[in-house]
Amino acid sequence: GAVVSQHPSWVICKSGTSVKIECRSLDFQATTMFWYRQFPKQSLMLMATSNEGSKATYEQGVEKDKFLINHASLTLSTLTVTSAHPEDSSFYICSARDEASGSWNEQFFGPGTRLTVL
Amino acid sequence: GQNIDQPTEMTATEGAIVQINCTYQTSGFNGLFWYQQHAGEAPTFLSYNVLDGLEEKGRFSSFLSRSKGYSYLLLKELQMKDSASYLCAVYDSNYQLIWGAGTKLIIKP
Repeated sequence: GAVVSQHPSWVICKSGTSVKIECRSLDFQATTMFWYRQFPKQSLMLMATSNEGSKATYEQGVEKDKFLINHASLTLSTLTVTSAHPEDSSFYICSARDEASGSWNEQFFGPGTRLTVL
Repeated sequence: GQNIDQPTEMTATEGAIVQINCTYQTSGFNGLFWYQQHAGEAPTFLSYNVLDGLEEKGRFSSFLSRSKGYSYLLLKELQMKDSASYLCAVYDSNYQLIWGAGTKLIIKP
């Protein structure tokens, strides 16, 4: 199956700093990538849909100025958490669809990034 | 609103069979997924159903009834490594994936 990577796998930062998380599709091109957040013992919550070459579509309640998304190429999307605060500590997961394959409707998930803001 | 319901937690014995149910109410339907998620890891794909009926894949099977808005994931010959959360998710009419809260499955020896 298609492989999606994320970097870093975990990060600890001070309150007020910014953190960038990368999501890459390794063996396929993805015009659309998705960013999720998951708090402990809760399900995945879609934050935004990242579209290559255009602006991301944010879900209701997600601050686009705080969670900056850049999808500059068909294999890379980045999520930057700006001025991070302890309440932003969470597990951030990206996913992508291999729209050129027969299983285009399946979302392939990256391994996730655990962010801890002190 | 859109809603997906699944039990919060289930317990089963190693070697046994367990069925995890999922009911959904969404604006449109374009398929239902089951994912497995181990603690601290990202979800991994288990199955996709878009037509009514049973799909079997090894020890795991998934069933769908679109008229009832219902699906189940059946796990046979349970192994300790099957202890995980199982997430039900539905594509709505806009192909947005709506997620259930997940069912934590605990396997006991």
